[in-house]
Amino acid sequence: GAVVSQHPSWVICKSGTSVKIECRSLDFQATTMFWYRQFPKQSLMLMATSNEGSKATYEQGVEKDKFLINHASLTLSTLTVTSAHPEDSSFYICSAQTRLKPNTGELFFGEGSRLTVL
Amino acid sequence: GENVEQHPSTLSVQEGDSAVIKCTYSDSASNYFPWYKQELGKGPQLIIDIRSNVGEKKDQRIAVTLNKTAKHFSLHITETQPEDSAVYFCAASGVKAAGNKLTFGGGTRVLVKP
Repeated sequence: GAVVSQHPSWVICKSGTSVKIECRSLDFQATTMFWYRQFPKQSLMLMATSNEGSKATYEQGVEKDKFLINHASLTLSTLTVTSAHPEDSSFYICSAQTRLKPNTGELFFGEGSRLTVL
Repeated sequence: GENVEQHPSTLSVQEGDSAVIKCTYSDSASNYFPWYKQELGKGPQLIIDIRSNVGEKKDQRIAVTLNKTAKHFSLHITETQPEDSAVYFCAASGVKAAGNKLTFGGGTRVLVKP
């Protein structure tokens, strides 16, 4: 149980285009999902916190107009990288907190989505 | 905010030996400390976690210790095997009703040599 699926697992796009990444909790409802960015050989950096039915909360330095987050249901959050540029190339990872254990701290991570912008 | 430091950044051990990774955190309000294993091109996988009301936890070859006073926690892997080779991340969070923001350490690249 507690599986988080990301799609696509990898994507290549041209500079200036927009890319959408989906994060789904397959067998549980997620009240909160988190989006991270990971550059090569670096740690995971939190980009934003996504709560179902409300606006996402972005970390300092993350452009909310560039990284659009939508958490339309308890099982789906999407990250859209708008007008992508080569410097946006990175590994994007989501994690989800189950509705059943909101205060345990336990998060379930997706497999990540590698974005390459040409 | 929370700051998590992790050492060493790389660790090479002979198969069968033990590996130890250490982390320190800054926020005394943090009370949840998970450890993740990340293989190349994949998302992090939780391998063990510990809460602030416990000093030590063990799961087969993996153990974690927590010293709240000193604000540090460690991962111990015994009898290492080649499949233990990966990047390991420690993390810390303070559980809050609105969600749990994890702060990650910088990661340790572990290489187990056969």
